[in-house]
Amino acid sequence: SQKIEQNSEALNIQEGKTATLTCNYTNYSPAYLQWYRQDPGRGPVFLLLIRENEKEKRKERLKVTFDTTLKQSLFHITASQPADSATYLCASGGGADGLTFGKGTHLIIQP
Amino acid sequence: KAGVTQTPRYLIKTRGQQVTLSCSPISGHRSVSWYQQTPGQGLQFLFEYFSETQRNKGNFPGRFSGRQFSNSRSEMNVSTLELGDSALYLCASSFVAGAAYEQYFGPGTRLTVT
Repeated sequence: SQKIEQNSEALNIQEGKTATLTCNYTNYSPAYLQWYRQDPGRGPVFLLLIRENEKEKRKERLKVTFDTTLKQSLFHITASQPADSATYLCASGGGADGLTFGKGTHLIIQP
Repeated sequence: KAGVTQTPRYLIKTRGQQVTLSCSPISGHRSVSWYQQTPGQGLQFLFEYFSETQRNKGNFPGRFSGRQFSNSRSEMNVSTLELGDSALYLCASSFVAGAAYEQYFGPGTRLTVT
């Protein structure tokens, strides 16, 4: 079965810099990857979806890439702000097994 | 448009009891998925319902079950509760079935089993 790996350690970034989060998958190349944001005590909020045949997707200050050779997706937040501090979850899907989530990376933007 | 709602928000049960959690999807959404979130395992897929039919199920024991009603509202049931069932249970709705589309999550039900 698919396994999604994210750096479980907290990522500290200075305000204004670009935060880059990594998501690696271990088995087959998923048809798409999704990124979610989760704040404490709340459900995840959808951010971006990128399909296998797409190299890059952008939405405002967010950018996600999908590299099937490296089996990796990178999630970038440019001009980061303290309000961007949250846990970011990567998820893969494509079959009949629902979304497979990574454990998330806790991002801290320091003013 | 109202978001996904889940009730109750918090629940404390004793080992051996059973529990029913409820989820109301976004109006017009016919797909409802359930996930269990724990600090150790993260978010794990439980099952997905579409048009009152279970489309698929994750790797959970038969104590976990669910159903969907004609108005797309869904319930999940956990029987013979174990301490390890303590978790945040999240419901997510989507306009169409399958995980190819963004999921809209509710706030979750925090279940504590003592």
